[in-house]
Amino acid sequence: AQKVTQAQTEISVVEKEDVTLDCVYETRDTTYYLFWYKQPPSGELVFLIRRNSFDEQNEISGRYSWNFQKSTSSFNFTITASQVVDSAVYFCALLTQSGGSYIPTFGRGTSLIVHP
Amino acid sequence: GAGVSQTPSNKVTEKGKYVELRCDPISGHTALYWYRQSLGQGPEFLIYFQGTGAADDSGLPNDRFFAVRPEGSVSTLKIQRTERGDSAVYLCASSLTLAGMDTQYFGPGTRLTVL
Repeated sequence: AQKVTQAQTEISVVEKEDVTLDCVYETRDTTYYLFWYKQPPSGELVFLIRRNSFDEQNEISGRYSWNFQKSTSSFNFTITASQVVDSAVYFCALLTQSGGSYIPTFGRGTSLIVHP
Repeated sequence: GAGVSQTPSNKVTEKGKYVELRCDPISGHTALYWYRQSLGQGPEFLIYFQGTGAADDSGLPNDRFFAVRPEGSVSTLKIQRTERGDSAVYLCASSLTLAGMDTQYFGPGTRLTVL
């Protein structure tokens, strides 16, 4: 069975601090995809990044960076110099393709609050 | 706009009633997913379609829930004999194909409240 754990329920930081959101996943499949989504107060999930299981390269996009480590089954997300607009709930998700089925599993989310 | 749209945005109904929730995916997207999101939780998979057929409906909680996508575009999630526990935000997402590298784009959701 697939599982995604986001152990941090809520994180509170002050603007300009760096913050890392943790994501640990479990799967027996060798081919899988990992995603991060942002859900601002407006409610609509916004795609941030996807990674496949064969690409462990870390990625940086502006103030966002992702650290994928298969050895620890983790796909952590770091926001550098956080801003108030980063306040949202962030979800990590796992998509596997076993038996011809493509069922995504989401974590419970981490609520990030950035104070001015 | 060209995004995923869902109607209604809010639906209040009484226990025991029947409801239909509609999802209009991005044009050309063959895959369509339905999720349910309860307060403080992540989206929970319900069903997905590849074209017109339900490719996997293993997430539907029971036989009161049913979804269709007759022409491979718009989909309707149908809930019979609603119960208070069905109250949640129902999300729809579409992607170009089912391949994992295709991003799922989410709609704004329908907030269902069963009184």
